[in-house]
Amino acid sequence: GEDVEQSLFLSVREGDSSVINCTYTDSSSTYLYWYKQEPGAGLQLLTYIFSNMDMKQDQRLTVLLNKKDKHLSLRIADTQTGDSAIYFCAEIAPMEYGNKLVFGAGTILRVKS
Amino acid sequence: DTGVSQDPRHKITKRGQNVTFRCDPISEHNRLYWYRQTLGQGPEFLTYFQNEAQLEKSRLLSDRFSAERPKGSFSTLEIQRTEQGDSAMYLCASSLVWGGPSTDTQYFGPGTRLTVL
Repeated sequence: GEDVEQSLFLSVREGDSSVINCTYTDSSSTYLYWYKQEPGAGLQLLTYIFSNMDMKQDQRLTVLLNKKDKHLSLRIADTQTGDSAIYFCAEIAPMEYGNKLVFGAGTILRVKS
Repeated sequence: DTGVSQDPRHKITKRGQNVTFRCDPISEHNRLYWYRQTLGQGPEFLTYFQNEAQLEKSRLLSDRFSAERPKGSFSTLEIQRTEQGDSAMYLCASSLVWGGPSTDTQYFGPGTRLTVL
């Protein structure tokens, strides 16, 4: 079955880089996603990566994928206080008639000014 | 705003009452999903529609839960005889998939937070 694991908490200083790590189990996953959730809010899609890519960069965000180790990371450059939130890694898991997302428990990012 | 919307944002109810939530997906999206998120956890899949057809249901979806998408646009999720364990955030997401390879990227609404007293 699918399982996604993340570290629970990360604290960084404003201006530093943040790296949030994730491991997944389903080697057949074609897409992997990063979502951001602020307190009391829904999930905001940040970025995704296709499984045949090693890296994807989108402004301050860099996603690295090590398919052999089933390891995904999200790097946020020049972290700001507005980046404080919970970050979820998710893999897409096929069902008989569609796809569902399987999420990790989330990493709380705290940015200190 | 053309994102996914959900109503109500918050619902407080007493145990045993029925509740209904509504989700309006992004207008051209043909797939609609319901997830449940409890405190400290990531969202868990409940059910999925392609157009008006409910094609998948999780084992998490007990008989007290029912979902509809009557015209392939908005969807409702009803919980009958609510229990304290139903307290959670209920999230709706939508995506657009038309044959062939696709990311099936899911966009989420703000959620409905349910508290059962």
